[in-house]
Amino acid sequence: KAGVTQTPRYLIKTRGQQVTLSCSPISGHRSVSWYQQTPGQGLQFLFEYFSETQRNKGNFPGRFSGRQFSNSRSEMNVSTLELGDSALYLCASSLAPGDTEAFFGQGTRLTVV
Amino acid sequence: DQQVKQNSPSLSVQEGRISILNCDYTNSMFDYFLWYKKYPAEGPTFLISISSIKDKNEDGRFTVFLNKSAKHLSLHIVPSQPGDSAVYFCAASALGNTGKLIFGQGTTLQVKP
Repeated sequence: KAGVTQTPRYLIKTRGQQVTLSCSPISGHRSVSWYQQTPGQGLQFLFEYFSETQRNKGNFPGRFSGRQFSNSRSEMNVSTLELGDSALYLCASSLAPGDTEAFFGQGTRLTVV
Repeated sequence: DQQVKQNSPSLSVQEGRISILNCDYTNSMFDYFLWYKKYPAEGPTFLISISSIKDKNEDGRFTVFLNKSAKHLSLHIVPSQPGDSAVYFCAASALGNTGKLIFGQGTTLQVKP
């Protein structure tokens, strides 16, 4: 059974650009969440999607957005990139919001220069 | 306001001995707790979880204890092995929603041969 797949694994962007990251959940999982990991702030919740609907959003500026497709795949977008957006972006999937386990992908390492 | 705290940034133990990692939380709404293990540049790997209706959960070498009155949980690893060396994160969710996890800052465990 394939795990959570995130693409790309590594990305370098310039300040002011925008970026789109992709996450394919485990087959059958319908809930997808995104997290940002930075050395200073640790792992912080970005958003949660279930059945193409955003259920929760973390405390991030509007430059951070996401969506979920009918096949449960999800994308997150960051516009007008800032140096501080450099981080490991992690996606987690679970069967549904009340599931007892959430499984993470390998992450996308974004570097903004 | 850090709702989940892991006050020990690092822990070093000898192979074969017990490792005890601690986690405190402040939000009374948290009712489900998870422990993850993480290597650099990889996604967190789920280890074990516990519901607030229990005070202990075991899975092989890993046991998690929950003290609701103290808002404290701990992860015991017995016996510790060098392969256990990693960063351990405690995470909490409210209303059983694992789609939105609040993480502690992590504890780096080093198990010496």
